[in-house]
Amino acid sequence: EPEVTQTPSHQVTQMGQEVILRCVPISNHLYFYWYRQILGQKVEFLVSFYNNEISEKSEIFDDQFSVERPDGSNFTLKIRSTKLEDSAMYFCAGNTIPRDTQYFGPGTRLTVL
Amino acid sequence: SQQGEEDPQALSIQEGENATMNCSYKTSINNLQWYRQNSGRGLVHLILIRSNEREKHSGRLRVTLDTSKKSSSLLITASRAADTASYFCATGSDYKLSFGAGTTVTVRA
Repeated sequence: EPEVTQTPSHQVTQMGQEVILRCVPISNHLYFYWYRQILGQKVEFLVSFYNNEISEKSEIFDDQFSVERPDGSNFTLKIRSTKLEDSAMYFCAGNTIPRDTQYFGPGTRLTVL
Repeated sequence: SQQGEEDPQALSIQEGENATMNCSYKTSINNLQWYRQNSGRGLVHLILIRSNEREKHSGRLRVTLDTSKKSSSLLITASRAADTASYFCATGSDYKLSFGAGTTVTVRA
């Protein structure tokens, strides 16, 4: 069964550095999402993406964040200048139509020191 | 916010028993989804129930939805040690899911 994959599984970075988190969605998915989960807290929506455009974004998704689908397979989340509070698990998800089941990747644990 | 809120926060049961957890939400929804998360791992989709459905089954899972009360329940029957995990409800709008804080279920052997 096809799965969403994410790399790296764990990223450690220094405050102020840029990080790029990568996701390979399921091939027939058209809608893509990023969520994050700070340790011990709820899963929070960051952004949704369709047809090379952001469909919706949360207040968390400020100018320090950007998303891109640079080719037909990868979907990336970039954090330009990381802060300590960006430390979290970041999940990529996708589906074929909105309002349908979202399939999540295993996550990237980001640790900002 | 459409966020679901689960109840109870934690549940400890003996293997073989049933586990029931509830989810309440605030606004009208298109669908409600239940996910499982093993410690430190990804989110595994369990069931999606649409707003015009009242009950849905998948294996040992049973989900109900009462839109008049804005609530849903997840029942796991004949629990196993492998069911130990956190369970989240998530309400779906067009382009995002809003998650609750989850119910942590521990199944004792």
